[in-house]
Amino acid sequence: EDQVTQSPEALRLQEGESSSLNCSYTVSGLRGLFWYRQDPGKGPEFLFTLYSAGEEKEKERLKATLTKKESFLHITAPKPEDSATYLCAVQAANNNDMRFGAGTRLTVKP
Amino acid sequence: KAGVTQTPRYLIKTRGQQVTLSCSPISGHRSVSWYQQTPGQGLQFLFEYFSETQRNKGNFPGRFSGRQFSNSRSEMNVSTLELGDSALYLCASSLVRGNSPLHFGNGTRLTVT
Repeated sequence: EDQVTQSPEALRLQEGESSSLNCSYTVSGLRGLFWYRQDPGKGPEFLFTLYSAGEEKEKERLKATLTKKESFLHITAPKPEDSATYLCAVQAANNNDMRFGAGTRLTVKP
Repeated sequence: KAGVTQTPRYLIKTRGQQVTLSCSPISGHRSVSWYQQTPGQGLQFLFEYFSETQRNKGNFPGRFSGRQFSNSRSEMNVSTLELGDSALYLCASSLVRGNSPLHFGNGTRLTVT
């Protein structure tokens, strides 16, 4: 069965303190891996799609990378407005639904 | 471009009642998916509709159903509500089926008492 595991569950950083979030997955044929950001009371907001091992995507202070078994979301010099829950999801080659991880709740203190 | 719109934002229902939630996708998006989000289970896939046909279904009981109209708008229905149905119900649309990012609405918060 397809599985997505995110770690850590929660992460507290000081403003400017860089770190990484992990998403490990098992899926029979990866069609795509997706990162989303969710703020309290809102729906998830799409950040990145990664399709193959070795691929990287960047957006402002965020950089997503992909290997055959996991993906990392690197946050460089975070700001308080980066505080949110970050969700990872995978889509298998034989299925159209996305399987989501439980998320990492990031808090950035000024 | 308007985003995904879900109505209502909040609902309070009693056990045994039924409820209908509505979703208007982004203009031009033909695929609509529904997810249930709870603190304990995270985001769980309910079903996906494309061209008015259910294309995929998650592991939920038959009390959960949905439909899609010719203008791509979608509704989901939950009958005989249980306390455990309390959750945030999220609708997402995408341009095409498969390998396309989902664009989520802000959800309907359902509370069953």
